[in-house]
Amino acid sequence: DIQMTQSPSSLSASVGDRVTITCRASQSISSYLNWYQQKPGKAPKLLIYAASSLQSGVPSRFSGSGSGTDFTLTISSLQPEDFATYYCQQSWAFGGGTKVEIK
Amino acid sequence: EVQLVESGGGLVQPGGSLRLSCAASGFTFSSYSMNWVRQAPGKGLEWVSYISSSSSTIYYADSVKGRFTISRDNAKNSLYLQMNSLRDEDTAVYYCARGTVTTDYWGQGTLVTVSS
Repeated sequence: DIQMTQSPSSLSASVGDRVTITCRASQSISSYLNWYQQKPGKAPKLLIYAASSLQSGVPSRFSGSGSGTDFTLTISSLQPEDFATYYCQQSWAFGGGTKVEIK
Repeated sequence: EVQLVESGGGLVQPGGSLRLSCAASGFTFSSYSMNWVRQAPGKGLEWVSYISSSSSTIYYADSVKGRFTISRDNAKNSLYLQMNSLRDEDTAVYYCARGTVTTDYWGQGTLVTVSS
C-alpha cells in the first residue's frame, strides 16, 4: 500500500507569509495527488487536484507542484481565512495533515 | 448545486450495528463512484470504502473489511454504509465523498460514537 507522509505536522505563520507544505509518497504516484483544506467542524475542501490544477473557485494564492514521489502545496501570501489543516491525498491514502496556525 | 447529506450516526455499544446513509442531489448520482471517509476525534482523515458507479467494484480499508458493507441505490440517489461488530476505534465522523482519484465533493459528516 502507498503511504503518504506530510511535513511539517504543524507550523506557525503570519498573515502575508509564504507557506510551503510537502507531501512524500512511498512510491511513484505520477501526478495523482490532491490537496485539501479542512477547518474545524467542517468537511475537507478540495484545493488542488492532479498535483497542480487549481479547483474552481479556489484563490490563486494556492498552488501545487511535483510529480513522482515529492509534492508541494504553496500559499503565496497567507490570509486570515487560510488558517486550517491541510491534507494531501493519493486515491485512498491521506497524509497525516499539516496544521497552519497563527504566529 | 451538488449536495451530499449523511445521516444515521449516533451512539452505539461495542459489538453493535449502525447503518449510515448519504443522500445525493445536484448531479447524476449514477455516473459517479462514491466513498466513505472517516475522521476520529482530533485525528486525520482515513478512507473507509469505495463503490463504483454501477456497484461492480467495491473496496474496503483493512481496518473495516469483513465488518462494514458499502452499497448504493442509484434509483434513490443514495449511498449506504452498513457497520457491524462496531469497536471503540470506529468512533469518528463519517463523510461520504464523490469521486475516484479525486474526491471533489464531501458531505458535512455524521458522528458515530461507539461506547458502553
